Amino acid sequence: QVQLQESGPGLVQPSQTLSLTCTVSGGSISSGAYYWSWIRQHPGKGLEWIGYIFYSGSTYYNPSLKSRVTISVDTSKNQFSLKLSSVTAADTAVYYCARDLNGYNSVDVWGQGTTVTVSS
Amino acid sequence: QSALTQPASVSGSPGQSITISCTGTSSDVGGYNYVSWYQQHPGKAPKLMIYDVSNRPSGVSNRFSGSKSGNTASLTISGLQAEDEADYYCSSYTSSGTLVVFGGGTKLTVL
Repeated sequence: QVQLQESGPGLVQPSQTLSLTCTVSGGSISSGAYYWSWIRQHPGKGLEWIGYIFYSGSTYYNPSLKSRVTISVDTSKNQFSLKLSSVTAADTAVYYCARDLNGYNSVDVWGQGTTVTVSS
Repeated sequence: QSALTQPASVSGSPGQSITISCTGTSSDVGGYNYVSWYQQHPGKAPKLMIYDVSNRPSGVSNRFSGSKSGNTASLTISGLQAEDEADYYCSSYTSSGTLVVFGGGTKLTVL
């Protein structure tokens, strides 16, 4: 059974870069069948799709974040990562890594989520 | 303001059926059969309940069903149980450029 686990700093300074890694266990990220996503949830709010990456390295980002987002994959470590630059308090959220079945937001496996606070 | 419109709250008694609506446009819900529904309990990650409008992932109870008519998708939960109390989010593929849009979420209360 595939499991996902986010890791990274829980506190990021304003204007710095938020960096998170998602480790995939129980399956290969290179299986070719899935899209590996990042989704966030602001405190007490709804869900916001950040973007995803295919194992080949193809990416698609939410246009509202595109200028600041980079999602990459390391197949040798079975991991994928999120970098969000120039963060502000508005980027404070729970960040989830997830597996999308078909690239149309059919997300069947989620990480537990990690809280990232942007504050000095 | 979310791209998809859901009621803020719905409620029902154990054993009853409820329906949660999700209204979009022809660029998302109405134009494609890529609507998903997620259940989220407090402090937990969302769980996929329905994908591609009406498909249930393995392990999801058949008390959950999805449908679509025009620009509105619906999630129906039959035989309500206490553990169904949660927030529910709809999501859709969109051709507008964002690729994915979510609804604002609906809080289901089991009375």
